[in-house]
Amino acid sequence: DVKVTQSSRYLVKRTGEKVFLECVQDMDHENMFWYRQDPGLGLRLIYFSYDVKMKEKGDIPEGYSVSREKKERFSLILESASTNQTSMYLCASTPGGESYEQYFGPGTRLTVT
Amino acid sequence: EDKVVQSPLSLVVHEGDTVTLNCSYEVTNFRSLLWYKQEKKAPTFLFMLTSSGIEKKSGRLSSILDKKELFSILNITATQTGDSAVYLCAVFHYNTDKLIFGTGTRLQVFP
Repeated sequence: DVKVTQSSRYLVKRTGEKVFLECVQDMDHENMFWYRQDPGLGLRLIYFSYDVKMKEKGDIPEGYSVSREKKERFSLILESASTNQTSMYLCASTPGGESYEQYFGPGTRLTVT
Repeated sequence: EDKVVQSPLSLVVHEGDTVTLNCSYEVTNFRSLLWYKQEKKAPTFLFMLTSSGIEKKSGRLSSILDKKELFSILNITATQTGDSAVYLCAVFHYNTDKLIFGTGTRLQVFP
């Protein structure tokens, strides 16, 4: 079974803090993705990565950065958290090639106060 | 602009009812369409559809894709309370390998 894990299920941070969200997958997948999910807006892609040290902006990259130093790990960084970044954050991975199914992590519910 | 639209936004039914969830899309470079079920946590994969007119089935759930009219439906027969969830439709974009998600349909099944 593919396993995608995220470092925290719930996180509360203050405005202006630097926040790290970690995602690890154990199936040697090529591609990894970070989404945020908000009521009425669905899942929106923040950043994704095709390979180690490679990253691509998604639909809403502003206020976020990412890091992929190892194939299994993809980190999402909020340089200076703001209240409008309060959301559910979901990480996903996919093998790449002809396999399109994305495997999701359990999500991190981040609250910025 | 690529988009995926799901309807209805919300649905309330009684156990035993049959429901049909709709997903229409306008996506250049379409590759495939995926359905997910999301309960309290992460979405779990249901179906992937690539070819028109071929029904995929898993128990009481089935789905079909119409690439000419650009839509897909997800059917659930004899609904149970455990079917209560948000059902997400997503389209895989050929060039970018990105999934474009709809906003989901919230299904509530009451006993």
